[in-house]
Amino acid sequence: EAGVVQSPRYKIIEKKQPVAFWCNPISGHNTLYWYLQNLGQGPELLIRYENEEAVDDSQLPKDRFSAERLKGVDSTLKIQPAELGDSAVYLCASSLRETGELFFGEGSRLTVL
Amino acid sequence: KNEVEQSPQNLTAQEGEFITINCSYSVGISALHWLQQHPGGGIVSLFMLSSGKKKHGRLIATINIQEKHSSLHITASHPRDSAVYICAAANTGNQFYFGTGTSLTVIP
Repeated sequence: EAGVVQSPRYKIIEKKQPVAFWCNPISGHNTLYWYLQNLGQGPELLIRYENEEAVDDSQLPKDRFSAERLKGVDSTLKIQPAELGDSAVYLCASSLRETGELFFGEGSRLTVL
Repeated sequence: KNEVEQSPQNLTAQEGEFITINCSYSVGISALHWLQQHPGGGIVSLFMLSSGKKKHGRLIATINIQEKHSSLHITASHPRDSAVYICAAANTGNQFYFGTGTSLTVIP
């Protein structure tokens, strides 16, 4: 069975440009998470979905970040415009509510120049 | 204030040594997760436990619910164990609280 799939793996952009990341969770997983991870730090939650509903987006910088999970399956995270401080790894994870085990994608490493 | 604290932050060991990484948490949990992240790699789940002890190969995870403390042990450590180990506390609402990780280096 395929794991959590993310793309792109790497993205280099200039500041003020837009960028989008895509995530396809494990089939049947109703909970989807987007995390940001800086070097040497643990993951920090950006947004959590239960099916198509964003149930926790309190840490999402809504002036420049947006996310959607329209059909409750795959999800997109967008940054517009990107700033230098957005350089980080963006991790997607999914879990099945009944079991609670968390599965991560490989991450999308963003470099903003 | 961090809901999850790990120690040590960095750890260097000789191959073959027994290693312990500690995790303390302050939130109510449904489960405690131990995760592994190799340099430049993704995060993989090692253990999810809510009581007692679990063992996979050379890795052992224990949890004391009353003391809100968990440990990850690695027996007969090997250079391929070199990675960052992250403790994460999950509550019943599917929220996860992550530690900042313990960077382990095992020297041949």
